[in-house]
Amino acid sequence: GAVVSQHPSWVICKSGTSVKIECRSLDFQATTMFWYRQFPKQSLMLMATSNEGSKATYEQGVEKDKFLINHASLTLSTLTVTSAHPEDSSFYICSARDLGGLDYNEQFFGPGTRLTVL
Amino acid sequence: AQSVAQPEDQVNVAEGNPLTVKCTYSVSGNPYLFWYVQYPNRGLQFLLKYITGDNLVKGSYGFEAEFNKSQTSFHLKKPSALVSDSALYFCAAYNTDKLIFGTGTRLQVFP
Repeated sequence: GAVVSQHPSWVICKSGTSVKIECRSLDFQATTMFWYRQFPKQSLMLMATSNEGSKATYEQGVEKDKFLINHASLTLSTLTVTSAHPEDSSFYICSARDLGGLDYNEQFFGPGTRLTVL
Repeated sequence: AQSVAQPEDQVNVAEGNPLTVKCTYSVSGNPYLFWYVQYPNRGLQFLLKYITGDNLVKGSYGFEAEFNKSQTSFHLKKPSALVSDSALYFCAAYNTDKLIFGTGTRLQVFP
């Protein structure tokens, strides 16, 4: 149980295009999902907290107009990188919190999406 | 400021020897502490957590961690390392609904 998937697992795009990354909780409902960014050989940086049916909460320094987050259902959140540039190249990881789980604080992580912007 | 520190960028250990990956935290209130492991180009896999109770927590793949409140530490340990344990390990603490991650420690187990 508690499986989180991400799609695509990797994507290469041209500068200026937009890329959408999906995060799904496969066997549980998640009112809250989190989006992280990981630079090479560095830790995870929380970008935003995504709440089902409401606007995402962005961390300081994260451009909300550039990183659009939509959490339309209890099992799906999407991150759209708009007008991507090479500096947006990174490993993006989502996580989800199990609404009905025994441990409210536990997050389950997706396998990550490698974005490369040419 | 709330923070999690992993003082070692890399830990090298011979297969069969015990390993320790260090973590200290600075979080207000009672801490919820976690260890995750990450393999190349993969997401994080949960190893173990401390919420309350016994200070020695046992987790996946033979790993355990000891919560020490006086030293504000939560070191990850394993009695006998395997080459397959080589990966990137993250310590994390919960604070006001968010996970705060340490910078990660790369564990290299040599045959």
